[in-house]
Amino acid sequence: DTGVSQNPRHKITKRGQNVTFRCDPISEHNRLYWYRQTLGQGPEFLTYFQNEAQLEKSRLLSDRFSAERPKGSFSTLEIQRTEQGDSAMYLCASSQGSDSNQPQHFGDGTRLSIL
Amino acid sequence: GNSVTQMEGPVTLSEEAFLTINCTYTATGYPSLFWYVQYPGEGLQLLLKATKADDKGSNKGFEATYRKETTSFHLEKGSVQVSDSAVYFCALNTNAGKSTFGDGTTLTVKP
Repeated sequence: DTGVSQNPRHKITKRGQNVTFRCDPISEHNRLYWYRQTLGQGPEFLTYFQNEAQLEKSRLLSDRFSAERPKGSFSTLEIQRTEQGDSAMYLCASSQGSDSNQPQHFGDGTRLSIL
Repeated sequence: GNSVTQMEGPVTLSEEAFLTINCTYTATGYPSLFWYVQYPGEGLQLLLKATKADDKGSNKGFEATYRKETTSFHLEKGSVQVSDSAVYFCALNTNAGKSTFGDGTTLTVKP
């Protein structure tokens, strides 16, 4: 169990630029989740995949955000035309199975700062 | 929709003091309940869980009981240590598997 890996750890970019984050889940986990966390708040759900299928997207995920998991393994989250309000920690998590009693395993996150 | 409300922090305790962090929830159906912990500079990690009413989750001296009648899942520890200083998040999972989190409670334990 190598854990959930996220890259990069930190990303600083200018407003209006596009950014892409990568998440490598635990290898046998079929579910992958993206969350956003701002200072002083808990993680907020963005979207999740079961294998390569994107099953749900939060209304927080505007049309500037897109996520993919093309082969059911790693996932990418892209933000186009970044805005100041996109500054946050982006967390990826994975779990095995579809039962609600399965805990999620989190990566260390990617911190995005918009100048 | 689903929601989780946690006791506001920060909480500061002396070593060996008793800890309670309150958590209440609103959910449709029968969620599973979790406590996650985030140590400084690290990612969230599972502390304990309970999947049905009256279940007690426990780990590292921490305990929480799933109370359906009061929709609560309070975290307790009888004697905290400096190493327990962290941010604690209460969360619930619905049948879809995604988690809804509280805003976290920062605990600082002083020697």
